[in-house]
Amino acid sequence: DSGVTQTPKHLITATGQRVTLRCSPRSGDLSVYWYQQSLDQGLQFLIHYYNGEERAKGNILERFSAQQFPDLHSELNLSSLELGDSALYFCASSVGTAAYEQYFGPGTRLTVT
Amino acid sequence: EDQVTQSPEALRLQEGESSSLNCSYTVSGLRGLFWYRQDPGKGPEFLFTLYSAGEEKEKERLKATLTKKESFLHITAPKPEDSATYLCAVRFAYSGGGADGLTFGKGTHLIIQP
Repeated sequence: DSGVTQTPKHLITATGQRVTLRCSPRSGDLSVYWYQQSLDQGLQFLIHYYNGEERAKGNILERFSAQQFPDLHSELNLSSLELGDSALYFCASSVGTAAYEQYFGPGTRLTVT
Repeated sequence: EDQVTQSPEALRLQEGESSSLNCSYTVSGLRGLFWYRQDPGKGPEFLFTLYSAGEEKEKERLKATLTKKESFLHITAPKPEDSATYLCAVRFAYSGGGADGLTFGKGTHLIIQP
C-alpha cells in the first residue's frame, strides 16, 4: 500500500458526459501528479500540482482539468468524454518538486461507452 | 521519437534463471531514473531511483545500474512472484527549470515459470 488513495475504483459512463476523479496524496506529500495509462500509449503524464498550484502540464487535453485543494487532495475533471478516453487514470504523490520518487495510487478505471 | 525505450518487450524465464532488462534514454539533462513494478490492474510500485552514472541500488533479487545513456535491471534467481511488468521512467530537466512529470517506457512484461 503506497498510502495514496483514489476514488472511485471503477467508473462507467457514456460519451459526452463529465466525471471527476479524486486523489488523496500520502501524508506529508505536497506534490500530486496525474497520469493516464492506455494499452497503446502506455503511461502518460498529464499534469502536476504542488501545494495547490499548477506546476507543469504534459499531454493533457483541453477537455481535462485538475485542481489541488488546501487539504492537498486533488481532483481530475474529464468532460465531453469520448470512447478514446477509456483508460486507467493514476494519481501519484511526492514530497517535493525536484527529482523525488513518486508513489502511485491504485488507479481509477474509466470506461466510456 | 521515443525518449525512453525498454527492451525486451516481453521475457519469459524459468525460475532461477537470471537475466537483465534494459532501459535506454535519448534526452540529456537527466534528473533521475526510476524503476517501477506494475501488476495487472494495479498502480506502479516504486522500486529504485538512480541519479548519476555508476550508481547501483539493490533490493532482494533486483539490482539496478545506471550508465550515461541506459539503465539495467538485473534479476538474480527470480521466483514466480517476480512476474510483473517492469517500467522505467526518467525525469528530464526542461527549459522552465522546474519539475516535470515522469516519462515512462512501455515496459518489459516478465514471466517467471516455476
